[in-house]
Amino acid sequence: GENVEQHPSTLSVQEGDSAVIKCTYSDSASNYFPWYKQELGKGPQLIIDIRSNVGEKKDQRIAVTLNKTAKHFSLHITETQPEDSAVYFCAATSGSARQLTFGSGTQLTVLP
Amino acid sequence: DAEITQSPRHKITETGRQVTLACHQTWNHNNMFWYRQDLGHGLRLIHYSYGVQDTNKGEVSDGYSVSRSNTEDLPLTLESAASSQTSVYFCASSESASGNEQFFGPGTRLTVL
Repeated sequence: GENVEQHPSTLSVQEGDSAVIKCTYSDSASNYFPWYKQELGKGPQLIIDIRSNVGEKKDQRIAVTLNKTAKHFSLHITETQPEDSAVYFCAATSGSARQLTFGSGTQLTVLP
Repeated sequence: DAEITQSPRHKITETGRQVTLACHQTWNHNNMFWYRQDLGHGLRLIHYSYGVQDTNKGEVSDGYSVSRSNTEDLPLTLESAASSQTSVYFCASSESASGNEQFFGPGTRLTVL
């Protein structure tokens, strides 16, 4: 089955700096890669996703890049703000599967 | 507004007891999922369902069961609770096709003493 590895497990940045979280996946058939944000005491919420026919996708301060050859994808957050502090999860799914395999999560802390 | 709810939000039980966690969604989604979240492991899939009367085992299904008698609900049952099942449990749902956003509930924190 699919295996998703996520790094780093913790990340601290100064407010206004950029943050990058990286994930690798094992199944070359994977074709959908979402990123979820989880605030304390809440369920994860989708913030951005990318499909395998696209190399990059942006939504305001958030972007995701995908390298299918290397089987890795990354989340980029620019101009970080204190409200970006949360746990971020990457995930992947392959083919017709509807279930996701999640990475182990990254605790992002934005320091004022 | 459509939503997904879980109950109870917190539960303390004893080893060996049967426990059922409820999940209810009002989006009319065919796909429903149960995950457990533990530090260092992220979200691990327990069971999932693609429609009424359909259930499937996930990565960590031992000791858990689900049933799907209608579209809205997917209750998760721990047949005989063990301390290793102390965790935070999340239910999620999504539309039928693959590659669709999963909407998560607020979670249930379960402690097995």
